[in-house]
Amino acid sequence: QVTLKESGPALVKPTQTLTLTCTFSGFSLSTSGMRVNWIRQPPGKALEWLARIDWDDETSYSTSLKTRLTISKDTSKNQVVLTMTNMDPVDTATYYCARETIFGVSEPFDIWGQGTMVTVSS
Amino acid sequence: NFMLTQPHSVSESPGKTVTISCTRSSGSIADNYVQWFQQRPGSAPTTVIYEDNQRPSGVPDRFSGSIDRSSNSASLTISGLKTEDEADYYCQSYDSITVVFGGGTKLTVL
Repeated sequence: QVTLKESGPALVKPTQTLTLTCTFSGFSLSTSGMRVNWIRQPPGKALEWLARIDWDDETSYSTSLKTRLTISKDTSKNQVVLTMTNMDPVDTATYYCARETIFGVSEPFDIWGQGTMVTVSS
Repeated sequence: NFMLTQPHSVSESPGKTVTISCTRSSGSIADNYVQWFQQRPGSAPTTVIYEDNQRPSGVPDRFSGSIDRSSNSASLTISGLKTEDEADYYCQSYDSITVVFGGGTKLTVL
């Protein structure tokens, strides 16, 4: 069974750096075609894609946020870490990690975590 | 970069058919596959259509997807509406190596 779970602080102060961890099970991020994405959703608003890391360590970032984001993986721990610098109240959102499979025979974004709510406030 | 534009909301009665559009602002809608996600309140999104018109296992055939090159848009059609279909729906595609989501459509079944 494939699962992903996000963890991190529920509250951060403006200007601080946010570090979120996605801990997954049921697959290996070293398997060809596997990716883990981070997506966020401000309260009552739309989904926004943030970043992705691939099985071969390739990374991709949102054009509008790439100067603030860093994504990395620890294959041995089955974890993907996202850092976002210089947090602002507009970054208040539920942050999701989601598995994406590009060589599969079904939907690419097949498994999502439950999401973790992050509030940015002083 | 391109944008995917969806209507903010649609509503229809149970048993009827509704179509939600997703218009690509630049480039061809056929350049990259379109996925559709359903999101119920308090839950993570789930895929209802992938690769323009494919249904994941477990998604009823009341859900269908298509693309229209002439209008440069994708569409999600839900027939035989049920109250359980009431949710937010998001289209998604790819812009080279990045992921693009539409602004979402709130479907009300009343």
